[in-house]
Amino acid sequence: SQELEQSPQSLIVQEGKNLTINCTSSKTLYGLYWYKQKYGEGLIFLMMLQKGGEEKSHEKITAKLDEKKQQSSLHITASQPSHAGIYLCGAEPSGTYKYIFGTGTRLKVLA
Amino acid sequence: DTAVSQTPKYLVTQMGNDKSIKCEQNLGHDTMYWYKQDSKKFLKIMFSYNNKELIINETVPNRFSPKSPDKAHLNLHINSLELGDSAVYFCASSHGGRETQYFGPGTRLLVL
Repeated sequence: SQELEQSPQSLIVQEGKNLTINCTSSKTLYGLYWYKQKYGEGLIFLMMLQKGGEEKSHEKITAKLDEKKQQSSLHITASQPSHAGIYLCGAEPSGTYKYIFGTGTRLKVLA
Repeated sequence: DTAVSQTPKYLVTQMGNDKSIKCEQNLGHDTMYWYKQDSKKFLKIMFSYNNKELIINETVPNRFSPKSPDKAHLNLHINSLELGDSAVYFCASSHGGRETQYFGPGTRLLVL
């Protein structure tokens, strides 16, 4: 079974709209990472969250980690076509030393 | 300068062949990884090396053999390729086992 679930699986939004992607774990996480993957390319690191309740922002992207460290959300404000791609959350469940990835969210932004 | 590089970028081969994928990082990291991304874009760890020592070996057929000649390189050799091996293979590196991982561009393997 997949230990990191992402929702939605895919998302199509009009340029300028806000959107949120969620990443949920059944276990407490040591750390939570967000990556973006463009078609045919590797993963690009976006942000890392380690503390419960932590929130980080970079340009128009904000990520939060809940207090229990089991759920994270990625919020994009005023989306642009350049935000299109696959967003993946990655994490290490506490005590496992194994790095796992979420199922991915495919984002398309219509101009 | 490319931080994590992989060669080749594309690999098309016949079933039963043996092939290698190379990975190099110039970030000075001590931990390197191999991941497999299947057709549904699901990314799964295969191996992890720290200072040339194997620390993670997921349930991967023993046809897959990683080799780390030094901390900056982690190569993946695959024997007797099967159709199901077709995927994108990503190499990554980090400074320590619990830090941000930086990914290579991927190697797209197609087994015919």
